[in-house]
Amino acid sequence: GAVVSQHPSRVICKSGTSVKIECRSLDFQATTMFWYRQFPKKSLMLMATSNEGSKATYEQGVEKDKFLINHASLTLSTLTVTSAHPEDSSFYICSAGGTSVGWEQYFGPGTRLTVT
Amino acid sequence: QKEVEQDPGPLSVPEGAIVSLNCTYSNSAFQYFMWYRQYSRKGPELLMYTYSSGNKEDGRFTAQVDKSSKYISLFIRDSQPSDSATYLCAMRWGGNQFYFGTGTSLTVIP
Repeated sequence: GAVVSQHPSRVICKSGTSVKIECRSLDFQATTMFWYRQFPKKSLMLMATSNEGSKATYEQGVEKDKFLINHASLTLSTLTVTSAHPEDSSFYICSAGGTSVGWEQYFGPGTRLTVT
Repeated sequence: QKEVEQDPGPLSVPEGAIVSLNCTYSNSAFQYFMWYRQYSRKGPELLMYTYSSGNKEDGRFTAQVDKSSKYISLFIRDSQPSDSATYLCAMRWGGNQFYFGTGTSLTVIP
């Protein structure tokens, strides 16, 4: 199956700093990428959907100025958490889809963000 | 009311048991139904998918969809310790947005 990577897998940062998370589709072109947030024992919460070359569409309640998403190429999307605070600590997961893989979303391994 | 409801468990069974995992949903427009398995600190991986109503079998796994009741199930036969994970149901109506359940945590005890 298609492979999606995320980097870093874990990051610890201080409150007020910014953190960038990368999501890459390794063996297919991802026309659409999704960013999710997952709290312990909770479901995946969709944050935003991005199509290559377009601005991301954010879900209601997600601050677009805080969670900056860039999908500049068909294999890379980035999520930048700006001015991070402890409440931003969470597990962030990306998924990627594309015409070559049909309807399916392929998930990355996730990034554990801890803000101290 | 949430779009998708799933009992979070946790569910603990002895090795070899038959496991039944379930989700209910409210949107009758959902057409595609998926089950994902997520190991601890990992991203979800697709386990089974079904289009519309009916059953689908893959090895020890069987997915069932009952659209009239808005109810889907995943059965795991001869459960193994390696099946210990969180199982998420997901559905979509045709667009590219998935609606996930909260996930059910399963532990299979050797």
